[in-house]
Amino acid sequence: NAGVMQNPRHLVRRRGQEARLRCSPMKGHSHVYWYRQLPEEGLKFMVYLQKENIIDESGMPKERFSAEFPKEGPSILRIQQVVRGDSAAYFCASLSYSWGAQSGANVLTFGAGSRLTVL
Amino acid sequence: GENVEQHPSTLSVQEGDSAVIKCTYSDSASNYFPWYKQELGKRPQLIIDIRSNVGEKKDQRIAVTLNKTAKHFSLHITETQPEDSAVYFCAARLSGTYKYIFGTGTRLKVLA
Repeated sequence: NAGVMQNPRHLVRRRGQEARLRCSPMKGHSHVYWYRQLPEEGLKFMVYLQKENIIDESGMPKERFSAEFPKEGPSILRIQQVVRGDSAAYFCASLSYSWGAQSGANVLTFGAGSRLTVL
Repeated sequence: GENVEQHPSTLSVQEGDSAVIKCTYSDSASNYFPWYKQELGKRPQLIIDIRSNVGEKKDQRIAVTLNKTAKHFSLHITETQPEDSAVYFCAARLSGTYKYIFGTGTRLKVLA
């Protein structure tokens, strides 16, 4: 099991360009979350998706940001017309069922993140 | 709205001492509380978690306590080691949802 895979790991864009970040959840998992982490800050919830459906996008800016999780292929977080303030690490997480000490709990497992730098 | 407060934001301890990080959640319907450790430049990784029907849980040098009445939960690390240095995040999941709200993080430094 390769875990949660994100790419690209690093992305550089100039202001006004588009950024596309991809996330493949753990095999068989149909729940994907996107979080944004600004430098030296915490994890801010952006959006939660199940296959082909956006369940909760309350943390995502209304403009320029969109997310999808198609039936086939990875989840994509798309940022249009990037600005310097979009520079951050974007983490994807998928829901995993853990049978460790917390039997029955759903465990959120993170990918390695995509670091976006806007010049 | 849902909120998780975390304190302190930074914590320095001498190697071998204990460290305690505290979180408070706002929504009484929260029922699952994981803790994540994030080393510099790496992904957050789950280190321990607790459900609302349990008051305390321990795993070697780390333990978590939960006070449902006060809506507080805490992470305790004993006999700290330099490799414990990292940022620690608490989180709360709302009952009946898959929404996880994270605290703002605590940067722990263990001084050798």
